[in-house]
Amino acid sequence: DAKTTQPNSMESNEEEPVHLPCNHSTISGTDYIHWYRQLPSQGPEYVIHGLTSNVNNRMASLAIAEDRKSSTLILHRATLRDAAVYYCILTGNQFYFGTGTSLTVIP
Amino acid sequence: DTEVTQTPKHLVMGMTNKKSLKCEQHMGHRAMYWYKQKAKKPPELMFVYSYEKLSINESVPSRFSPECPNSSLLNLHLHALQPEDSALYLCASSRGGRPDTQYFGPGTRLTVL
Repeated sequence: DAKTTQPNSMESNEEEPVHLPCNHSTISGTDYIHWYRQLPSQGPEYVIHGLTSNVNNRMASLAIAEDRKSSTLILHRATLRDAAVYYCILTGNQFYFGTGTSLTVIP
Repeated sequence: DTEVTQTPKHLVMGMTNKKSLKCEQHMGHRAMYWYKQKAKKPPELMFVYSYEKLSINESVPSRFSPECPNSSLLNLHLHALQPEDSALYLCASSRGGRPDTQYFGPGTRLTVL
């Protein structure tokens, strides 16, 4: 299964935009890119997914590079409740979680 | 409604006990999953059920025994566990097909003494 690479941790100031990067250079043409986040002691929560085009929903935006080898999750205004581990997952045959990015939001 | 429920929320058991974890969804999803998550690690896939049949077993020890009695319910039977099996056990479900977005339950925090 294709692997993803994410920074271990990032910090953001409250109410500022956050750009969370993910590299997936071995993505296949049929793999979707899913993003999940996990708050402490909770199950992973679906955030957004996409295939080729950029996507927006009420939680976030997903920007996908033209060659699909990388993507960026954009939180437009970080809040304290957005502090979580964010996972970028390629969904081909199955879900395999990478190590994720731990986001700290500074008040 | 994208809710997956799991019971119990917490479970403490001895190494000789037999217990079961339960997972339920009423979204009409046809695929259900068990994951194990150790502290500060990502979830690891254990089992996948598709249309109530076990389709993937990620070389999980036989002391973990999954069961899917119907399309809404998934159990994980536990027997003779070891302390290193202490973890958060997560259940998820999905429609099947592509993209196969999974929806996760809150997990059962298991402690083996």
